[in-house]
Amino acid sequence: ETGVTQSPTHLIKTRGQQVTLRCSSQSGHNTVSWYQQALGQGPQFIFQYYREEENGRGNFPPRFSGLQFPNYSSELNVNALELDDSALYLCASSTPGHLTGELFFGEGSRLTVL
Amino acid sequence: AQRVTQPEKLLSVFKGAPVELKCNYSYSGSPELFWYVQYSRQRLQLLLRHISRESIKGFTADLNKGETSFHLKKPFAQEEDSAMYYCALRGSGNTGKLIFGQGTTLQVKP
Repeated sequence: ETGVTQSPTHLIKTRGQQVTLRCSSQSGHNTVSWYQQALGQGPQFIFQYYREEENGRGNFPPRFSGLQFPNYSSELNVNALELDDSALYLCASSTPGHLTGELFFGEGSRLTVL
Repeated sequence: AQRVTQPEKLLSVFKGAPVELKCNYSYSGSPELFWYVQYSRQRLQLLLRHISRESIKGFTADLNKGETSFHLKKPFAQEEDSAMYYCALRGSGNTGKLIFGQGTTLQVKP
């Protein structure tokens, strides 16, 4: 069974640029959620995708957007990067109707904005 | 507002000592609470969930609705328990949305 994989693992961007982060969900999981983890903080929910549609969003501006593809993989796009966007971005997948709430996390993509 | 508070950033104990990682929450309704753990160089993973009332790796956590707490306990700490621990609350009606606390680093000294 393949776990959640994310790419790239590290990247550096400058303020104002755009970035795309990618995530492949664990086999059999059709729900993907994205989290931002700033240094020294817990993960903060950005949004969730289910059946290729956004299904729940946290307190993040519209310049944070996403996609989910028919194979359940997902992208997180951030436009007009700001210095405060520097963080570890975590992707998590879960099984359909997973009432127990267990999320399976990737190792994250560390974004540095200069 | 839904919130999870972990008051200690670092908890340092000796091997064999009891451990209690504190977690308090703010939530209107029936909460679902979890403990996630991140060992060194590993990804974040579920340790236990309150609905299962289970003991995992010797850890237990009891949901106390009166005190709005979900403290994680282990009677005898082991060095391999050293890790970052996050308490998390599941938002209503959304399986993927977890509200995490800031995390507590548990350091078990030999």
